[in-house]
Amino acid sequence: QQQVKQSPQSLIVQKGGISIINCAYENTAFDYFPWYQQFPGKGPALLIAIRPDVSEKKEGRFTISFNKSAKQFSLHIMDSQPGDSATYFCAASIRGGSQGNLIFGKGTKLSVKP
Amino acid sequence: EAGVAQSPRYKIIEKRQSVAFWCNPISGHATLYWYQQILGQGPKLLIQFQNNGVVDDSQLPKDRFSAERLKGVDSTLKIQPAKLEDSAVYLCASSLRLAGAETQYFGPGTRLLVL
Repeated sequence: QQQVKQSPQSLIVQKGGISIINCAYENTAFDYFPWYQQFPGKGPALLIAIRPDVSEKKEGRFTISFNKSAKQFSLHIMDSQPGDSATYFCAASIRGGSQGNLIFGKGTKLSVKP
Repeated sequence: EAGVAQSPRYKIIEKRQSVAFWCNPISGHATLYWYQQILGQGPKLLIQFQNNGVVDDSQLPKDRFSAERLKGVDSTLKIQPAKLEDSAVYLCASSLRLAGAETQYFGPGTRLLVL
């Protein structure tokens, strides 16, 4: 019930291409879905987040698509750049919960080739 | 604004030894989290504090791990005795409030290697 499944484990994309990372969740109580970006030797940093009352959220080159019926959400990185090379984690939590628990996926290591 | 500070950045110990990690959250952040990140996995919550009280420690191996947040600011996480499987990065994060949609700000982590 608490799992968030993320795929692929690793991804190689050419500069200028589109990177797509997918996540699926089981717990229907989850209603907040952030994506975190982590560079080597650094802690994760919030990239973009979505709530299930919208199907898509876009911030610059980053877009989250959300499918509530399928319990899936994905991150799209348009015009991928070498500087986007990092590990990306999807996560889920309950907004109105009494705790701030974030349940993370296992991560996707993205490499953008110049 | 200063970020979340953690020390040490790296630690190598023998199994059965003890180790302690320190975290200083962003000023004014009431909620503090400790996560364990094993290589190739996402962070897993160990414990979270609201001010100096424990909100959730259900995933903390209490036979060997302990944590405290005295005065509701800095926090320490201790492992005693350490096992090989404790090798991981220990991340501290903080947020302004205790809520599922609050942005959590992570420190750089402490990389622990248990030999």
